Amino acid sequence: DTEVTQTPKHLVMGMTNKKSLKCEQHMGHRAMYWYKQKAKKPPELMFVYSYEKLSINESVPSRFSPECPNSSLLNLHLHALQPEDSALYLCASSTGTRGYNEQFFGPGTRLTVL
Amino acid sequence: DAKTTQPNSMESNEEEPVHLPCNHSTISGTDYIHWYRQLPSQGPEYVIHGLTSNVNNRMASLAIAEDRKSSTLILHRATLRDAAVYYCILRDNTNAGKSTFGDGTTLTVKP
Repeated sequence: DTEVTQTPKHLVMGMTNKKSLKCEQHMGHRAMYWYKQKAKKPPELMFVYSYEKLSINESVPSRFSPECPNSSLLNLHLHALQPEDSALYLCASSTGTRGYNEQFFGPGTRLTVL
Repeated sequence: DAKTTQPNSMESNEEEPVHLPCNHSTISGTDYIHWYRQLPSQGPEYVIHGLTSNVNNRMASLAIAEDRKSSTLILHRATLRDAAVYYCILRDNTNAGKSTFGDGTTLTVKP
């Protein structure tokens, strides 16, 4: 299984809602990532987890809260988002966090904040 | 963080070779050069990576300049399915998984 799955595919939420994005991989990878991608722009790194511990937080606002309950699962909890947070949220995984480790990306969750 | 610079767009004819350039003049000695591509409505897909030497795989070849300040992704025979945004990325070997994406080149393949 060389797939990263993300649910839901699409999410529409109001600014007062709380929702979560889910990412799963069964490749035995020990590094997992969240990226944010605005239209016609490259992905921007948000968080990196290595061995279930947060290793990088790219100064992301606290309304985004990541969680890595186990080595196969990565969540992104959303609360009090703003319309400018509307974007494609991509999850990725890799064997490790070294420079030569390729990343496997999921298809993304398209988030719309009203 | 080191940055990459890519042309905004390129065109190719089907079954012809394509050379996609990337400049990374501030690359550090510990940065690996990766290429990914992204088709519409999909996540990025790994293409190839290298450190100093040229690399070949079933999808493409990667030519790295001797001073490592630039690289070229080579698709040997473009097909319509190769139409995508191609990203040149520097991945730091010492910084816990950090990757810096360039703005990408949109490749159009004409039949």
